[in-house]
Amino acid sequence: GAVVSQHPSRVICKSGTSVKIECRSLDFQATTMFWYRQFPKQSLMLMATSNEGSKATYEQGVEKDKFLINHASLTLSTLTVTSAHPEDSSFYICSAPYSGKETQYFGPGTRLLVL
Amino acid sequence: GDSVTQMEGPVTLSEEAFLTINCTYTATGYPSLFWYVQYPGEGLQLLLKATKADDKGSNKGFEATYRKETTSFHLEKGSVQVSDSAVYFCALVHQGAQKLVFGQGTRLTINP
Repeated sequence: GAVVSQHPSRVICKSGTSVKIECRSLDFQATTMFWYRQFPKQSLMLMATSNEGSKATYEQGVEKDKFLINHASLTLSTLTVTSAHPEDSSFYICSAPYSGKETQYFGPGTRLLVL
Repeated sequence: GDSVTQMEGPVTLSEEAFLTINCTYTATGYPSLFWYVQYPGEGLQLLLKATKADDKGSNKGFEATYRKETTSFHLEKGSVQVSDSAVYFCALVHQGAQKLVFGQGTRLTINP
């Protein structure tokens, strides 16, 4: 099946710094990618839809200036957590629909710990 | 709005037991239905899907049937293994759309 990668898999940073997470579709092009946040023992919360060539669409309650999304190419979307705080510590997952179809492929996730 | 409801977990079974994880949905029209599985420390993987009423999705011994009359998509497996321990998510997406709506997830633990 299609492969989506994320980098880094784990990151520890100090409070106040910014962290960039990359999501890549390795063997297909994705004009749309999705970013989720998952708290321990909870379901996935959709944060935003990343659109290649245009602005991301954020879900209600998600701070645009806090979570910057850039869909730089048809295979790469980045999520930057700006001025990170301990409450931003979480598991961040991206996904991409394969060839515009319904089935989505998920990245392995990035665990962020803000000290 | 659309929603997906799964049975609350966690679910703990012994190896070779029969598994059912209930999933019901609320949606307009005829969404496609999915089960995703998340193994510890990993992202989600598609387990199976069904795109129309009465379709049965199956994979790795798991099955789920799209029941429009009961708006359900229950996940079943006849004989579970320790390696099936994971979190299972039921989800839907509308035809032509790409945004998934997830259930809350059910954590399954299989003991040897």
